[in-house]
This record gives sequence, C-alpha cells and structure tokens, in this order.
Amino acid sequence: AQSVAQPEDQVNVAEGNPLTVKCTYSVSGNPYLFWYVQYPNRGLQFLLKYITGDNLVKGSYGFEAEFNKSQTSFHLKKPSALVSDSALYFCAVRDNNYGQNFVFGPGTRLSVLP
Amino acid sequence: DAGVIQSPRHEVTEMGQEVTLRCKPISGHNSLFWYRQTMMRGLELLIYFNNNVPIDDSGMPEDRFSAKMPNASFSTLKIQPSEPRDSAVYFCASTWGTKNTGELFFGEGSRLTVL
Repeated sequence: AQSVAQPEDQVNVAEGNPLTVKCTYSVSGNPYLFWYVQYPNRGLQFLLKYITGDNLVKGSYGFEAEFNKSQTSFHLKKPSALVSDSALYFCAVRDNNYGQNFVFGPGTRLSVLP
Repeated sequence: DAGVIQSPRHEVTEMGQEVTLRCKPISGHNSLFWYRQTMMRGLELLIYFNNNVPIDDSGMPEDRFSAKMPNASFSTLKIQPSEPRDSAVYFCASTWGTKNTGELFFGEGSRLTVL
C-alpha cells in the first residue's frame, strides 16, 4: 500500500533563509512524487513532480525538490523564503501501476516570518 | 483553459436535506477525483473515476454518499440525507493519461456547512 509521511506539522523560517519541508513515502512499485501548495480558501496548486531522470526537480515559484530513493524521501526546498510562501504544503505519491490513486500526506504548514 | 470548475462554492443547508455538488473537469482529462478536507482528518479521497467509470469508491463514507460521472465533462457528488458531520470542503480534481505521470488539477472547492 502507498503512504506518505510529512513529519512536521509546522515549519517556521525567517524571510530570506532557506526552507525545507520534509516528505517520506512508501510504494510497492516505482514512485511518482508530487508537491502541492494550498493557500487559504483555495484549492491545491501543483508545484512540481518527480517521474524519472534527474533527482533534483525544479518547479514553480523557485521551489525545488530532491528525490532520494535510498531514503525514500522527496523534500521540498527553496533557497530564500518569502513571506508569501506561507501556506499549507502537501506531498503526494502515486505508483507506476496504472489506475492507482494519488495518496497525500497530512500537510505541513509553513510560516515565513518577516 | 478555465481549469476545474466546481459549484456551488459555498452551501449552507440543514440536516436531512439533500446536497449536490458539481464538477466540470478540464477538457481532455480522463480521470476525476473527489476529495474531502477537514481540519481533523485532512485530505481524504472519496472516489475516483477513469474514463467515466468508478475505479475506487472505498473512501465514500456510507450509503448517504453517491457520485456519478455521466460523461467526460461532468460529475456530481450527492449527499442524502446530509448530517452536520458532513461539513467540510469538497474538492474535485482531474488529470490525464494512462501512465500515472500526470499531476492533479484541483478546483477551488465547495465549502459545505450542514446545520
């Protein structure tokens, strides 16, 4: 069965500092990994995904994530945080067997302090 | 493209009433998902369709919930009768392809309050 863990409910970081939001996963097949962001009263917005190839993937708004197969992790990173990055972040996994569901983590609330 | 369109955005109803939520997926997408989001339980999958066929409805809470997808451009989620514990934000999302590599596109959600 697929599962996703986001070990931190809340991450606080000062504006201008680097940020990391952690994600680990478990799948039976090969993982397809996704990050989403949710602003208040909005739907989830896609940030980036890892399907295959380079372990470092770049996405929207300056975010990137690194796929680490041995650690089954897909941490989200940004070199310099903005106050406007404050939001709820979700990691999701889908395995490569057709018809499988997206499984989302519980979410991590990021607060960037001015 | 207009994105995934959900209606209504907000619904307030009384316990026992029927509620119908609607979703129009992005044109060309062949998979559609219904999720429910609450503070207590986070984001839960209710049901998803591939090519208009329900694939997994194990997340549907009970017989009071039903979902249909009569064609590729429309889906409904119905709750009858509604209960206060059904209060949540309901999201519809769609994606495309046959190899699971496409990302989900979410609508803005329907916020349901059952009094």
